[in-house]
Amino acid sequence: AQSVAQPEDQVNVAEGNPLTVKCTYSVSGNPYLFWYVQYPNRGLQFLLKYITGDNLVKGSYGFEAEFNKSQTSFHLKKPSALVSDSALYFCAVRASNTGGFKTIFGAGTRLFVKA
Amino acid sequence: GAGVSQTPSNKVTEKGKYVELRCDPISGHTALYWYRQSLGQGPEFLIYFQGTGAADDSGLPNDRFFAVRPEGSVSTLKIQRTERGDSAVYLCASRAQRSPLDEQFFGPGTRLTVL
Repeated sequence: AQSVAQPEDQVNVAEGNPLTVKCTYSVSGNPYLFWYVQYPNRGLQFLLKYITGDNLVKGSYGFEAEFNKSQTSFHLKKPSALVSDSALYFCAVRASNTGGFKTIFGAGTRLFVKA
Repeated sequence: GAGVSQTPSNKVTEKGKYVELRCDPISGHTALYWYRQSLGQGPEFLIYFQGTGAADDSGLPNDRFFAVRPEGSVSTLKIQRTERGDSAVYLCASRAQRSPLDEQFFGPGTRLTVL
């Protein structure tokens, strides 16, 4: 069965500092991994996706994520946080080798960036 | 262009009543997903359509829930004999058939409250 864990309910970081939002996953076979962001009063928006290839994936708004197969992790990172990055972040996974498209989301991590 | 739209934005009903929630995907998107998001949780997969057919309905919690997409565009999620535990935000997402990023575009959701 597929699952996603986001161990932190909330991450606090000062503006200008690097940020990391953690995600670990469990899936049979090779994973497709995603990060989505949800701003207040707005729908979920796609940030980035890992399929295969380079372990470091670059996405929207300066975000990137690092895929680590041995640790089954896909942590979201940004070198310098902005106050406007404050939002709810979701990690998601789906199996790539079954032909199915069922996507499993984590519970979310709320990011607060303080000026 | 227009994004994914969902109607109504809010629905209040009484326990035991029947409700229909509508999703208008992005034009041309063949894939359509329904999710349920409870407070403090990530989106929970309900069902996935490819065209008119439900390719994966394994997330529907029980037989009170049903979804259709008769012409491969608009979809309706139907809930019979609603229960208080059905209260949540119901999200719809669509995806292009050949999207290289496998990106799902989410609607704003329908907030369902069962009294």
